[in-house]
Amino acid sequence: GAGVSQSPSNKVTEKGKDVELRCDPISGHTALYWYRQSLGQGLEFLIYFQGNSAPDKSGLPSDRFSAERTGGSVSTLTIQRTQQEDSAVYLCASSLVEDTEAFFGQGTRLTVV
Amino acid sequence: GENVEQHPSTLSVQEGDSAVIKCTYSDSASNYFPWYKQELGKRPQLIIDIRSNVGEKKDQRIAVTLNKTAKHFSLHITETQPEDSAVYFCAASREYGNKLVFGAGTILRVKS
Repeated sequence: GAGVSQSPSNKVTEKGKDVELRCDPISGHTALYWYRQSLGQGLEFLIYFQGNSAPDKSGLPSDRFSAERTGGSVSTLTIQRTQQEDSAVYLCASSLVEDTEAFFGQGTRLTVV
Repeated sequence: GENVEQHPSTLSVQEGDSAVIKCTYSDSASNYFPWYKQELGKRPQLIIDIRSNVGEKKDQRIAVTLNKTAKHFSLHITETQPEDSAVYFCAASREYGNKLVFGAGTILRVKS
């Protein structure tokens, strides 16, 4: 595609429910990143993929968070038993390799009520 | 792991003045340093980047300098305009095999 695409763009969920966020990276980009941005805050690293493997999961806040990437392309970030503090914008980015320009998606705004 | 600190957190300048944002990093193996601009409600977008084999890079009104010895790099915006108002993020990564680590961001306000 023309750019990194994320879906849904907005998600409102009840506390305790599970959510899945999707990221379609730019075709051919091997590196894929997930970041979280709370209102007015910086970019908090969550997880990074090189191909289908995740060399660095150190940013995942708890075991309620998991992510996978299949076929070296689409990635899903799953949050189980959502809590109000999970409310944020979840940004996905992709790049050709790790040290080239990372292109961001428009983000998924998650609101846990 | 890498840690990137960014200062100041907010910066207000008069239109036409220069703005400077500074970042320091901890991992001496880092050698790719991009800067991203994020306008309100929009996604971050790359504005300039520098690799460790150069000390300075310029693109029109924007320049970035890198001091590998001191492990710091800076963004310089000259002749600021109201449309430069945004949040700016610095980042650092190693070449091959590591993630981009971002600074906390700087809110730049250009007053006309």
